[in-house]
Amino acid sequence: ETGVTQTPRHLVMGMTNKKSLKCEQHLGHNAMYWYKQSAKKPLELMFVYNFKEQTENNSVPSRFSPECPNSSHLFLHLHTLQPEDSALYLCASSPIPGDEQFFGPGTRLTVL
Amino acid sequence: AQSVTQLDSQVPVFEEAPVELRCNYSSSVSVYLFWYVQYPNQGLQLLLKYLSGSTLVKGINGFEAEFNKSQTSFHLRKPSVHISDTAEYFCAVAGGFKTIFGAGTRLFVKA
Repeated sequence: ETGVTQTPRHLVMGMTNKKSLKCEQHLGHNAMYWYKQSAKKPLELMFVYNFKEQTENNSVPSRFSPECPNSSHLFLHLHTLQPEDSALYLCASSPIPGDEQFFGPGTRLTVL
Repeated sequence: AQSVTQLDSQVPVFEEAPVELRCNYSSSVSVYLFWYVQYPNQGLQLLLKYLSGSTLVKGINGFEAEFNKSQTSFHLRKPSVHISDTAEYFCAVAGGFKTIFGAGTRLFVKA
């Protein structure tokens, strides 16, 4: 596969569940990002990783926990989410932070 | 710190008409500027970018944008739109390794 892939594409979970979103990039990039996209709201940057190190946490609640085991993989672990966390979660990568970003197709998350 | 303002949340236009999507930014450092497009149920993809050099930048699908430093603008234009251009368009500014996205402009092309 090429580009940025995200799994699953759709996820429905209850407020007490624990789930994880996965992102993988095959572009040799060093920076990876998680964004939240809600209806009628601007794209919200959640986390930035550069060379596997977290360089930005945009005041994200602790029920969202990122993990970057290597430069190609990025996870977002979810637990005890709220209905207002329902959104499209987008992963992106770039050669370095501030450069052109390549986006995955997103995971559509619904919290019941 | 940077900020981006997309002046129109929605732009309806008839097919084959010209369109301009407006973007203004502010930054205390030199910036890179981007336009991305998002089609339904997809992630964002790059339309064009300005890094340096010529202020008129050409992108994919017949789009172009002009960097105007004095007006801190980076408006996106297309001389003749198609139904398939219906999508959400995002302006973004990057400076000091941080990228800020605008709120998006929904372009709706009518037959």
